[in-house]
Amino acid sequence: QKEVEQDPGPLSVPEGAIVSLNCTYSNSAFQYFMWYRQYSRKGPELLMYTYSSGNKEDGRFTAQVDKSSKYISLFIRDSQPSDSATYLCAMMSGGSNYKLTFGKGTLLTVNP
Amino acid sequence: GAGVSQSPSNKVTEKGKDVELRCDPISGHTALYWYRQSLGQGLEFLIYFQGNSAPDKSGLPSDRFSAERTGGSVSTLTIQRTQQEDSAVYLCASSLQGNRELFFGEGSRLTVL
Repeated sequence: QKEVEQDPGPLSVPEGAIVSLNCTYSNSAFQYFMWYRQYSRKGPELLMYTYSSGNKEDGRFTAQVDKSSKYISLFIRDSQPSDSATYLCAMMSGGSNYKLTFGKGTLLTVNP
Repeated sequence: GAGVSQSPSNKVTEKGKDVELRCDPISGHTALYWYRQSLGQGLEFLIYFQGNSAPDKSGLPSDRFSAERTGGSVSTLTIQRTQQEDSAVYLCASSLQGNRELFFGEGSRLTVL
């Protein structure tokens, strides 16, 4: 079993839809949870960063972490065509400040 | 520019040749990382630098891979005797010391024929 599992999609939604992206993980040591967005042929850019369990909201984006279920989510409200990208979840253990473990990424297309 | 800069952006080489990939981190970022992104494999950690030293090289896939960093700034990832399975995008990232927010460059796309 891989440490981080993420459905690769592809996921296709109409503009304005609510998008839900998810990852599960097996390593209980993970304490820091990130979501990166990667446009085609570009580097990943950090979208959301959360520590431990709970919710964090930033504009149209909400990140949720449920450590008891080892499950994290990213919600995108009022999705826009410019949100079309690959979304990568990433995690880091509490004892590390440098090694990220990534999911494989979910390819999202938002259709106008 | 203000971001992480990588060169070359694309490299096509023949099997058995050596390649060098360069990363110029964000000014003031003492931590530097190399990751590899292969089709269908996601991002894999290769090596981490703190200043010029590499406390964790555990992700380097074989002894054909090496990396160095000089002056606490530019880093070079060298792949010797390239193989077709080395074809991937090699991503460099940097961060402030102790900060878990990594900033990635756009990557160097390596194709080994």
